[in-house]
Amino acid sequence: EVQLVESGGGLVQPGGSLRLSCAASGFTFGSFWMHWVRQGPGKGLVWVSRIDTDGSTTTYADSVKGRFTISRDSAKNTLYLQMNSLRAEDTAVYYCARGWGSLIDQWGQGTLVTVSS
Amino acid sequence: QSVLTQPPSVSAAPGQRVTISCSGSNSNIGNNYVFWYQQLPGTAPKLLIYDNNKRPSGIPDRFSGSKSGTSGTLGITGLQTGDEAGYYCGTWDSRLSAGVFGGGTKLTVL
Repeated sequence: EVQLVESGGGLVQPGGSLRLSCAASGFTFGSFWMHWVRQGPGKGLVWVSRIDTDGSTTTYADSVKGRFTISRDSAKNTLYLQMNSLRAEDTAVYYCARGWGSLIDQWGQGTLVTVSS
Repeated sequence: QSVLTQPPSVSAAPGQRVTISCSGSNSNIGNNYVFWYQQLPGTAPKLLIYDNNKRPSGIPDRFSGSKSGTSGTLGITGLQTGDEAGYYCGTWDSRLSAGVFGGGTKLTVL
């Protein structure tokens, strides 16, 4: 069974940093692209970033480019999202997701990030 | 202001059929596969349809997908109260080099 378990969310002040982790199991982690998607309170899904199988190619939404960094550790079967210079509008549930074709087939349960003073 | 446009809400009676539209452009739906996701209240999204019209194992054939030009459509037949959820279309946008989703459609089964 595919499992994606996010952690690292919490309350952070504007301008602060946070690192999210996603522990993957039940599939060959190194064979799949991986994504982060977020959902603000009462809002829709917003794609954030993706990374290829060996971590050499990364892509970001314009809203997070230069502030967020996606990475992966295949030895630990773990995906990361380093978030710097956080803003109130980054408040959301962040989902780790497995890539399939051009988008996503499996989702984690999400971790809540709240940016507030 | 999502890149893909969906109706905010649809409703129908139990047992009836409903369709949800997803409108895009040549840079996204026009040249890439459409995905559909179901999000039950308080839970993570779940894949319903991939590659325009394929169902993952375990998804009942009451759910179907189609694509024509720059639009995709999700169809649900034999509506059940358990189908009440948010439904999102998504794809890759080649011009933006980014994943894009519709704003979501809330389905109410009356």
